[in-house]
Amino acid sequence: EIVLTQSPGTQSLSPGETATLSCRASLSVSKYLAWYQQKPGQAPRLLIYASSDRAIGIPDRFSASGSGTDFTLTISRLEPEDFATYYCQQYGSAPHTFGQGTKLEIK
Amino acid sequence: EVQLEQSGAEVKKPGESLKISCKGSGYGFTNYWIAWVRQLPGQGLEWMGIISPGDSNTIYSPSFQGQVLISADKSIKTAYLQWTSLKASDTAMYYCARSYTSESFFDLWGQGTLVTVSS
Repeated sequence: EIVLTQSPGTQSLSPGETATLSCRASLSVSKYLAWYQQKPGQAPRLLIYASSDRAIGIPDRFSASGSGTDFTLTISRLEPEDFATYYCQQYGSAPHTFGQGTKLEIK
Repeated sequence: EVQLEQSGAEVKKPGESLKISCKGSGYGFTNYWIAWVRQLPGQGLEWMGIISPGDSNTIYSPSFQGQVLISADKSIKTAYLQWTSLKASDTAMYYCARSYTSESFFDLWGQGTLVTVSS
């Protein structure tokens, strides 16, 4: 089973700043990596798939990159609604594991 | 509207059985796979398994193999997750999610079903 490790566990930033979230895989997943956003009391929402492709309706403030074992999600010009928990997920090898999440909180 | 509608919250006792559901609408139900994802209270997401409603081909995570049963009834566009003997440790939110193939990301999620197991 591929283990995904996200860092940091929590990031405290102010609106307008840039968030950089990391996801590292224990084995290569090529570009088979997705990012999801989850707000309290809500289901996760797809942000990014195939490592860097934005899902429909996702603003271009969200960008992502990486391949193999190292991936990054960048959120520029943070808006109040961006403060949430973010999960990466690999779908290159079953079971399609998730990272433990990074909580983005308002500073 | 394209959506996955899950059944309502459940409160059960240890040892009881349970079957929760996920109904797809607004898209070709058999053109996609349906996965189940567990979220323990205050914790992250865990991939449990995935089913192709068209032929009921199912893949389980080793962590959940033998612990739950995933099934589907394509005639009523519904996928299921069931337990034969619940434990307190099964208390969690369970989400269904849509995937284009068995090796793909989830582009659509249900609203979640909260399962509480307590004596």
